[in-house]
Amino acid sequence: NAGVTQTPKFRILKIGQSMTLQCAQDMNHNYMYWYRQDPGMGLKLIYYSVGAGITDKGEVPNGYNVSRSTTEDFPLRLELAAPSQTSVYFCASSQRTGSGYEQYFGPGTRLTVT
Amino acid sequence: AQKVTQAQTEISVVEKEDVTLDCVYETRDTTYYLFWYKQPPSGELVFLIRRNSFDEQNEISGRYSWNFQKSTSSFNFTITASQVVDSAVYFCALSEGNKLVFGAGTILRVKS
Repeated sequence: NAGVTQTPKFRILKIGQSMTLQCAQDMNHNYMYWYRQDPGMGLKLIYYSVGAGITDKGEVPNGYNVSRSTTEDFPLRLELAAPSQTSVYFCASSQRTGSGYEQYFGPGTRLTVT
Repeated sequence: AQKVTQAQTEISVVEKEDVTLDCVYETRDTTYYLFWYKQPPSGELVFLIRRNSFDEQNEISGRYSWNFQKSTSSFNFTITASQVVDSAVYFCALSEGNKLVFGAGTILRVKS
């Protein structure tokens, strides 16, 4: 049971390039999330999904796109990368339980846009 | 909207000291959940505890304890006899439906 996996771990992009951050979970969780963590800040929600085929915007969705074609995968697409998107990106998943939505996090992807 | 405030940006203590990390939250929900996560220098996020709004009992797990006070909207975290391995960023979070709202985090530095 690998939990939540993310690839790549590190990436450097040039301004205007595009890329996809991969996220997969093997816990059969319905809910998946993408966050970004800027230096000295907490996590801000970019997009989330409550199940395959359903996605919704979080607090900071501009410049990103997501899709959820399967329960397991939730890729995050950056179009036209900008320096403001330099951050650490975390993917998370959760399954509704009787005691709240505990989220399990992936190891993160450190992205630098120059 | 939900809000979580961790007023302590950074705390430094010497090993074996006790330290309390503060968390104050705002919500209009009557049912909600509070969480603490640890982010060690390696960067991953580690779940520590979940507490629902109907359970105000304090909880202790080894050197860790949590004090939930609904009257003051606080969910504080105490580490007893701190160790160098406790050095990390600690995040408090509040549920908002099936999402979490995170505080800005508190950096804890434990010196030997």
